[in-house]
Amino acid sequence: AQSVSQHNHHVILSEAASLELGCNYSYGGTVNLFWYVQYPGQHLQLLLKYFSGDPLVKGIKGFEAEFIKSKFSFNLRKPSVQWSDTAEYFCAVTSDNTGGFKTIFGAGTRLFVKA
Amino acid sequence: EAQVTQNPRYLITVTGKKLTVTCSQNMNHEYMSWYRQDPGLGLRQIYYSMNVEVTDKGDVPEGYKVSRKEKRNFPLILESPSPNQTSLYFCASGPFGGQKEKLFFGSGTQLSVL
Repeated sequence: AQSVSQHNHHVILSEAASLELGCNYSYGGTVNLFWYVQYPGQHLQLLLKYFSGDPLVKGIKGFEAEFIKSKFSFNLRKPSVQWSDTAEYFCAVTSDNTGGFKTIFGAGTRLFVKA
Repeated sequence: EAQVTQNPRYLITVTGKKLTVTCSQNMNHEYMSWYRQDPGLGLRQIYYSMNVEVTDKGDVPEGYKVSRKEKRNFPLILESPSPNQTSLYFCASGPFGGQKEKLFFGSGTQLSVL
């Protein structure tokens, strides 16, 4: 069965620290990969997405992610976090080959940035 | 403004009392979906709809019903709610065939079943 794994459930960083959140998926076909962010009390918003081309994608607010096909990974990075990045981050996968439109989400990573 | 509107934002009910959570989108999207969010489990899909009168089960459909009589609306129905359905619910929509496109999410409905 398809699944998405996010390795860290909680991450605490100080401002200006670098961030890397891990995401691995299990699916052998063509995939489309997303990172969503959920700020406290708000709904999910798209940070960035990848479906083809340059495996290093840049999103909003200085975030980027790298697709490594051989590792089935799509890790999210930011060189220097800010207090306003405190949020929950979700990795998600869709597939061109599923019979229907299924977006599979990881369990999420809660990031807390100390001022 | 493009948006997905869910109502209500908060709902407290008792076991067995039927309830409906409404979801409406103004983007003419074919695809709509319901998710529940639980700590440590992320978002799990309950039901989705590819178009009017076309619905299908997601990963956790037990205890829920949906209908898609109009393109813009996709209500979630709990015929006989139970405490294990206490959760945060999100409705989402997206364009048809839009596996490469982002989902638009509603603001969520926090449901407590006593």
